[in-house]
Amino acid sequence: EAGVVQSPRYKIIEKKQPVAFWCNPISGHNTLYWYLQNLGQGPELLIRYENEEAVDDSQLPKDRFSAERLKGVDSTLKIQPAELGDSAVYLCASSPGTSGRGEQFFGPGTRLTVL
Amino acid sequence: GEDVEQSLFLSVREGDSSVINCTYTDSSSTYLYWYKQEPGAGLQLLTYIFSNMDMKQDQRLTVLLNKKDKHLSLRIADTQTGDSAIYFCAEKLAGTALIFGKGTTLSVSS
Repeated sequence: EAGVVQSPRYKIIEKKQPVAFWCNPISGHNTLYWYLQNLGQGPELLIRYENEEAVDDSQLPKDRFSAERLKGVDSTLKIQPAELGDSAVYLCASSPGTSGRGEQFFGPGTRLTVL
Repeated sequence: GEDVEQSLFLSVREGDSSVINCTYTDSSSTYLYWYKQEPGAGLQLLTYIFSNMDMKQDQRLTVLLNKKDKHLSLRIADTQTGDSAIYFCAEKLAGTALIFGKGTTLSVSS
């Protein structure tokens, strides 16, 4: 079974430019998460989807960040415009649901560098 | 608010046991998890424990949970160089995403 797929793996952009990250979750997983991981820190939730609905986006900086999960499968996270402080690893995870064990499976992440 | 705390660094010799500790603050956590992150990779789920359990053993891994003290530990028996990585403790509240600690870097020397 394929795991969570993310692309690109690395992205280098100049500040004020837009950037987008893509995630394909494990087949059949209804819940999808985007996390931000700064250097030396644990992942922090940005947004959680149940199917195509964003059920928790309280930590998403909505002035510059947006996300979508059309058709309840793949998801895209966008930053526009990017700032120097956005340099980090963006992790996507999926789980069968939030009930029960709710264990999450992570993709390899996209490492963003903003110059 | 929620805060999961871990010691930042642990160094052991190959063949020794490693014990990584974690404290969490929310007594309503339903499940607690241990994840492993190798350089340049995502997080790999190692094991989990339900909040009404005290201990769980899975091959070389032993998880101990002290719910009264909100203390979680991960013991790795016969630690190998391939166990060198960052280990994250995470707690799950009902219906929410995971809350992670900052991670413990385990260094195994031969």
